Amino acid sequence: QKEVEQNSGPLSVPEGAIASLNCTYSDRGSQSFFWYRQYSGKSPELIMFIYSNGDKEDGRFTAQLNKASQYVSLLIRDSQPSDSATYLCAGPFSGGYNKLIFGAGTRLAVHP
Amino acid sequence: GAGVSQSPSNKVTEKGKDVELRCDPISGHTALYWYRQSLGQGLEFLIYFQGNSAPDKSGLPSDRFSAERTGGSVSTLTIQRTQQEDSAVYLCASSSATGGYTFGSGTRLTVV
Repeated sequence: QKEVEQNSGPLSVPEGAIASLNCTYSDRGSQSFFWYRQYSGKSPELIMFIYSNGDKEDGRFTAQLNKASQYVSLLIRDSQPSDSATYLCAGPFSGGYNKLIFGAGTRLAVHP
Repeated sequence: GAGVSQSPSNKVTEKGKDVELRCDPISGHTALYWYRQSLGQGLEFLIYFQGNSAPDKSGLPSDRFSAERTGGSVSTLTIQRTQQEDSAVYLCASSSATGGYTFGSGTRLTVV
């Protein structure tokens, strides 16, 4: 069973702080990972993807991938109340096609 | 089109009736996926299309569920003899060969 695990939260951080969201996965063959943000009542939207070990930065977001330890994380710097949402980690099933397995999501609450 | 379009956005149906949900993917995206999300839950994979064929339909919950895709474009998910446990948001996504998914806005299905 290919799995992607996330802490459901809620993760509560003050405005301006760094939010750290973590995800572990079971399929060693997975090569790439995606972070989606889902506001309440809305569909998921892609915010970051990472293919290589190490860090990838995009604005206030940094994705980190450690294939040896099978974890991927998302850091949000200078967190804003508008970042409050559920963050879904997803990794591809390594069965030869681009099927994403989603974690259950971590709910982030940024309070003023 | 510019995005993934799903219709209807909301559907209320009586238990035992059949429903059809439609997805129009991004033009040129060969891969199309159906997921469903129950209230407060993660995304549950239903079926994957590559072109008009469905190499992975392992997530369909029962034989009441079926899906087809024609012309490598529009897909229809059909649920026969709906049950209350079918109530959920049904999300369609499309992608290029190796990219992340773009989700439609979903169809909220309520079975009463």
